Amino acid sequence: GAVVSQHPSRVICKSGTSVKIECRSLDFQATTMFWYRQFPKQSLMLMATSNEGSKATYEQGVEKDKFLINHASLTLSTLTVTSAHPEDSSFYICSAMGAMNTEAFFGQGTRLTVV
Amino acid sequence: GDSVTQMEGPVTLSEEAFLTINCTYTATGYPSLFWYVQYPGEGLQLLLKATKADDKGSNKGFEATYRKETTSFHLEKGSVQVSDSAVYFCALSNDMRFGAGTRLTVKP
Repeated sequence: GAVVSQHPSRVICKSGTSVKIECRSLDFQATTMFWYRQFPKQSLMLMATSNEGSKATYEQGVEKDKFLINHASLTLSTLTVTSAHPEDSSFYICSAMGAMNTEAFFGQGTRLTVV
Repeated sequence: GDSVTQMEGPVTLSEEAFLTINCTYTATGYPSLFWYVQYPGEGLQLLLKATKADDKGSNKGFEATYRKETTSFHLEKGSVQVSDSAVYFCALSNDMRFGAGTRLTVKP
């Protein structure tokens, strides 16, 4: 299957700082990328959907000014957690889907800890 | 809107037991249906998929049939192993929203 690389895998940051997470499709063009937040006890919440060159569509309750998503190219999307707080600590996962839209491929996730 | 309802569990089975994890969906059009698996400490991997009604996806002994008449995509395995312990997610291709996930623990 296709490969999606997510970086970093782990990051620790101080409260009030911003953190950028990258999601790259390595061997296909990702027309659509999805960002998720995984809470304890495995629930996987869709945060936003982004199409290349367009503004992301955020799910209800997700603050778009806090979780900035950029999908400037067909191989890269970024999620920036701005002014991070301890409650933002979580596991963030991206996935990417190509133009044929038959399957999404997932990154390995980023464990964010805000101290 | 589109949605997925998944049996939440947790599910605990003995090795070689039969497994069923229920998944039903509500969708417009004809989405593809997926089962993803997340092993401890890892990201999600596609386990199997079905792209149209009556298709059966299968992989690693797991099977699921896309049943339009019952809007279901139940995951089954005839004989589970300890290595199958993981969290299983059902999903629709329309918007890639996931069910709540089902944690499976298989004991020796």
